[in-house]
Amino acid sequence: DTAVSQTPKYLVTQMGNDKSIKCEQNLGHDTMYWYKQDSKKFLKIMFSYNNKELIINETVPNRFSPKSPDKAHLNLHINSLELGDSAVYFCASSFRADPNLQYFGPGTRLTVT
Amino acid sequence: QKEVEQDPGPLSVPEGAIVSLNCTYSNSAFQYFMWYRQYSRKGPELLMYTYSSGNKEDGRFTAQVDKSSKYISLFIRDSQPSDSATYLCAMRPSGGSYIPTFGRGTSLIVHP
Repeated sequence: DTAVSQTPKYLVTQMGNDKSIKCEQNLGHDTMYWYKQDSKKFLKIMFSYNNKELIINETVPNRFSPKSPDKAHLNLHINSLELGDSAVYFCASSFRADPNLQYFGPGTRLTVT
Repeated sequence: QKEVEQDPGPLSVPEGAIVSLNCTYSNSAFQYFMWYRQYSRKGPELLMYTYSSGNKEDGRFTAQVDKSSKYISLFIRDSQPSDSATYLCAMRPSGGSYIPTFGRGTSLIVHP
């Protein structure tokens, strides 16, 4: 029974396309996150939602738009994909009261050609 | 200088060795210190976290924090090939943004 799941696992697409990544957690957490891990393995926060409300929005191009239809789901839509968007995108979740204990999804490996 | 520095390795050790993984940081406001393990092509999973200075032990793993030196360590005793993974340190202040700042991870290879 997967705690944090992401779809798709792999995504290969061309520059200029629009794509979405979906995330779901069944842990009952109230907070969800999107991270980007680049080729050098740095893990950087992009967005954080608490109870469907955006609370963290790091310096991310506005081509990236997160959406949280409910507190168990957090999707990421990316417009006009660029080569530099190639990375692994991780979704994570936690209770807001215990942000040290984040559970990560398996990642979505995005390759933009 | 990055806020959290971590040598990417790889660190290669024989099975049974004691492994020491380290991070240094520059932000004296960091109070929570975490260690994550990430297997190849998987998401990070939390191993343990500590608050402020001191040691914490969990089985073969010991986390150590020295705030005066801004230096944290993770020790793995009796290392196993299954410990081969990338280990990421992460840390955050107690107030303000609760989002951790991650190190880039150290790749550990334990060979039989």
